[in-house]
Amino acid sequence: KQEVTQIPAALSVPEGENLVLNCSFTDSAIYNLQWFRQDPGKGLTSLLLIQSSQREQTSGRLNASLDKSSGRSTLYIAASQPGDSATYLCAVRGGDYKLSFGAGTTVTVRA
Amino acid sequence: DAGVTQSPTHLIKTRGQQVTLRCSPKSGHDTVSWYQQALGQGPQFIFQYYEEEERQRGNFPDRFSGHQFPNYSSELNVNALLLGDSALYLCASSRGTASFNQPQHFGDGTRLSIL
Repeated sequence: KQEVTQIPAALSVPEGENLVLNCSFTDSAIYNLQWFRQDPGKGLTSLLLIQSSQREQTSGRLNASLDKSSGRSTLYIAASQPGDSATYLCAVRGGDYKLSFGAGTTVTVRA
Repeated sequence: DAGVTQSPTHLIKTRGQQVTLRCSPKSGHDTVSWYQQALGQGPQFIFQYYEEEERQRGNFPDRFSGHQFPNYSSELNVNALLLGDSALYLCASSRGTASFNQPQHFGDGTRLSIL
């Protein structure tokens, strides 16, 4: 059974600091890994999708890396802004149709 | 281009009642998945529908059932509601034929509260 862990559970940084969010998974036989953002009481917004054959993906200030063999992914957010405050979730897709999620990291960016 | 839409946004029910939640997938998508997200936790997979059939099911009791219509929209039904069913219910859509390598697109969810 795939287990996805995100540490830390919460993070508070001053505006302008770079954010580093970690995701680990127990079964390395994955098709892809997806990072999401969730604002309070809202649905999930897809940020980045990394296929199992890729090492990283970039979109604007966001960069995600994937080390499948060690079961780890890291999401980097450069020059954080108060608008980046949200919960960030990672999810992996294995050999079936479902996504397995971590519990998320709640980020607060202080102005 | 409309994204995934869910209705209603909020719902309050009492224990023992039944509820139906609705989802319209993103334009061009034919596969719908349902997830349950309890407060402070990550979403848990309930089931996925493709070509009007349940393709995969997560670890949820038979009280949870679903349906997909010819226009690809979907319903989630929950019978005999328990207090523990209180959660945010999320619908996700994708293209079935290439779903393994396609991103999942989520709606804003339905917040279900059981009194």
